[in-house]
Amino acid sequence: DAMVIQNPRYQVTQFGKPVTLSCSQTLNHNVMYWYQQKSSQAPKLLFHYYDKDFNNEADTPDNFQSRRPNTSFCFLDIRSPGLGDAAMYLCATSGAGTDYEQYFGPGTRLTVT
Amino acid sequence: GNSVTQMEGPVTLSEEAFLTINCTYTATGYPSLFWYVQYPGEGLQLLLKATKADDKGSNKGFEATYRKETTSFHLEKGSVQVSDSAVYFCALRARGATNKLIFGTGTLLAVQP
Repeated sequence: DAMVIQNPRYQVTQFGKPVTLSCSQTLNHNVMYWYQQKSSQAPKLLFHYYDKDFNNEADTPDNFQSRRPNTSFCFLDIRSPGLGDAAMYLCATSGAGTDYEQYFGPGTRLTVT
Repeated sequence: GNSVTQMEGPVTLSEEAFLTINCTYTATGYPSLFWYVQYPGEGLQLLLKATKADDKGSNKGFEATYRKETTSFHLEKGSVQVSDSAVYFCALRARGATNKLIFGTGTLLAVQP
């Protein structure tokens, strides 16, 4: 089945130690998104890629970076995780344009110790 | 700016009870409206959507009607099942070039046998 895959499902990192979360898709979608979802809060868009074009949300901290080496993969890099970065990170994909549904992966739960 | 407000949970119901989860929005223009569901340990799944005023989205017995006059998109189901236990998110997508979703904070539904 076509899907959005996130690895790992659970990630523990130390305060200040860089961490990378991975997302892959078999849907061949143009657009890939990263959302941050803190406990009992709404998912919040961090950034998205439209093909190779990177689109950062205005309030996304510089500590968060992303890479998309090809259509299928997208990475979220947190350069120096703080305790406040502990959250569920959701990857989603969609076709191009404004009428396409977003398909979400299962998420990676990040713990910062 | 654009925002979504939904009723706080948890909502606890007995099986076969009637469900309403309220959702109101603030947006410029005429957004598209969505309900997503998140089952334990899984990513978000699109439940239903409506793209213009008076549209009714429906899926799996759930319904929601796009009410422009009250800026609302309340989710309803006539008879809930234990398997409907999940977190439900209302979301909007503003008109324009971006496919950005803005979510409400989610409502946890717990259905007891």
